[in-house]
Amino acid sequence: ETGVTQTPRHLVMGMTNKKSLKCEQHLGHNAMYWYKQSAKKPLELMFVYNFKEQTENNSVPSRFSPECPNSSHLFLHLHTLQPEDSALYLCASSQDSGREEFFGPGTRLTVL
Amino acid sequence: GQNIDQPTEMTATEGAIVQINCTYQTSGFNGLFWYQQHAGEAPTFLSYNVLDGLEEKGRFSSFLSRSKGYSYLLLKELQMKDSASYLCAVSPTPSGGYQKVTFGIGTKLQVIP
Repeated sequence: ETGVTQTPRHLVMGMTNKKSLKCEQHLGHNAMYWYKQSAKKPLELMFVYNFKEQTENNSVPSRFSPECPNSSHLFLHLHTLQPEDSALYLCASSQDSGREEFFGPGTRLTVL
Repeated sequence: GQNIDQPTEMTATEGAIVQINCTYQTSGFNGLFWYQQHAGEAPTFLSYNVLDGLEEKGRFSSFLSRSKGYSYLLLKELQMKDSASYLCAVSPTPSGGYQKVTFGIGTKLQVIP
């Protein structure tokens, strides 16, 4: 498999649930990102890992918790989310920061 | 910080030419990206301009003026499949470490027969 993959593609969860989003890149890139995309808003950068080190936490609530066990995998752990967290969550990777980013297909999250 | 402006929606006719503009105000600038995003899909890279001028890539061209803080994406011989959102994104001046790319809201282009 090539490129950037994300699972699951769709997720419906209640506000008390705990779930995790998974991202995997097969491109040998050094930087990985989590973005949130909501209707009528720009892509919002949430977290960045550069060489497995977290370099950006864009004032994201603690109910979102990232994990980067190695340079190919990135997780986003979710707990006690709010309905306004419903959005498309996109993972991306790039060779280095500031370079062209390759996006995964996204996880469409609905919080009930 | 970064501020990026682009129209939210545009409509154009199949076979025609359309220009999507993007203006930016930034505290530091290295280059400008254009991405295409079809509904329900991930953004895909179209172009990256660092120097002033026009860069052509098939039916798509991208222009940059650093002094004016202005870019445009030009789509020629429009096809129905070009209906998508087009995202403008700015890359800041490299300063060592991480460079955060900032995205505009995107321009939703509808191509009509």
